[in-house]
Amino acid sequence: DIQMTQSPSSLSASVGDTVTITCRASQSISTYLNWYQQQPGKAPKVLIYATSSLQSGVPSRFSGSGSGTDFSLTISGLQPEDFTSYYCQQTYRTPITFGQGTRLEIK
Amino acid sequence: EVQLLESGGGLVQPGGSLRLSCAASGFTFNSYVMSWVRQAPGKGLEWVSAIDNSGAGTYYADSVKGRVTISRDNFKNTLYLQMTTLRAEDTAIYYCAKTEKYGTTWYGFVQDWGQGTLVTVSS
Repeated sequence: DIQMTQSPSSLSASVGDTVTITCRASQSISTYLNWYQQQPGKAPKVLIYATSSLQSGVPSRFSGSGSGTDFSLTISGLQPEDFTSYYCQQTYRTPITFGQGTRLEIK
Repeated sequence: EVQLLESGGGLVQPGGSLRLSCAASGFTFNSYVMSWVRQAPGKGLEWVSAIDNSGAGTYYADSVKGRVTISRDNFKNTLYLQMTTLRAEDTAIYYCAKTEKYGTTWYGFVQDWGQGTLVTVSS
């Protein structure tokens, strides 16, 4: 199975900051990497698919990059609603796997 | 509007069985890969299973393989997850998920989620 390792597990930042969350795959997954945001008590929401494609309706302050085994999600100019949890997901091969998540907290 | 309505969750004893259902509406059900994703209390997301649009192809996480069967009824627009030999570690909210494709990939990303149904495995 392909293991997805996210870092950091938690992150403190301030409104207006720029932060980057990374996701490393245990083997190459080309660009089959998605990013989700999950608010407490809610279902996840896709932000980025195929490494860098911004899903319709998602603010442009979210961006993704990478290929192979190393990927990142960058949030530029944090807004109050961005302080929540984020997950990467590989869809290169089944079983599909998620990273363990990153909790973004307000400083 | 896409709607995914899960049902069938509840309290079950270890070793027991449960069948989850997901009633879909607002889209052409038989055109989409469907999935189940779960989340244990206070934990991260775990992909459980997926089924292609015809129902011929099914895929499972190692943690549930052999104990879980995914199926669909394209006439009833309903997705199912039959779970057997349940363990405490299967306790989670189970989300029904509609999967979008992109390019040539068969499994793209989850665009739409149900509200989830809670399965609790405990004696």
